Amino acid sequence: EDQVTQSPEALRLQEGESSSLNCSYTVSGLRGLFWYRQDPGKGPEFLFTLYSAGEEKEKERLKATLTKKESFLHITAPKPEDSATYLCAVQRSSGTYKYIFGTGTRLKVLA
Amino acid sequence: GAVVSQHPSWVICKSGTSVKIECRSLDFQATTMFWYRQFPKQSLMLMATSNEGSKATYEQGVEKDKFLINHASLTLSTLTVTSAHPEDSSFYICSASSSGRGDTQYFGPGTRLTVL
Repeated sequence: EDQVTQSPEALRLQEGESSSLNCSYTVSGLRGLFWYRQDPGKGPEFLFTLYSAGEEKEKERLKATLTKKESFLHITAPKPEDSATYLCAVQRSSGTYKYIFGTGTRLKVLA
Repeated sequence: GAVVSQHPSWVICKSGTSVKIECRSLDFQATTMFWYRQFPKQSLMLMATSNEGSKATYEQGVEKDKFLINHASLTLSTLTVTSAHPEDSSFYICSASSSGRGDTQYFGPGTRLTVL
């Protein structure tokens, strides 16, 4: 059965304290893995798409990496404005193009 | 690029009435649109997938007659909640994707529905 698990569920960091969020997945053929950021009361904001193991993408303080079993979202020197829920989703290589979402990691960065 | 809008952003209605929510892709043609529902502090729950000009594919447990989806063009999909009840109160989010953008889904800002 396809499954996506994110850890930790919640994370509190001090400003400047780097850390990583994990997204473990089990899927019968990966088409893509997607990271989103969601602020309260808003729709998810697209961050990254990763297609193959070994791929890395960066945007400002965020860096996403992918292996055959998991993805990491590294946050370097976070700021309070990075506080949000980070969602991971995978898309199968066959069948429909729908996402399988993880439950998210709620990040709080303290000033 | 890849902007998706939703209208309205919030709506309050009386029990038994119907509510229509619009989802538009503003700067790209969306071959596929998705409708999600999100409960507080939970992840997104897919309700249905729609392709332009075709009938929507509903997820198991989602009532087709209650949540009517129309994908009339490559830039517009609508979700109509018929005979709304308080338990339909939720945050509804649409997303749009196209093969030209690697099938990445771009999400709208969401619509908060409250049924009294």
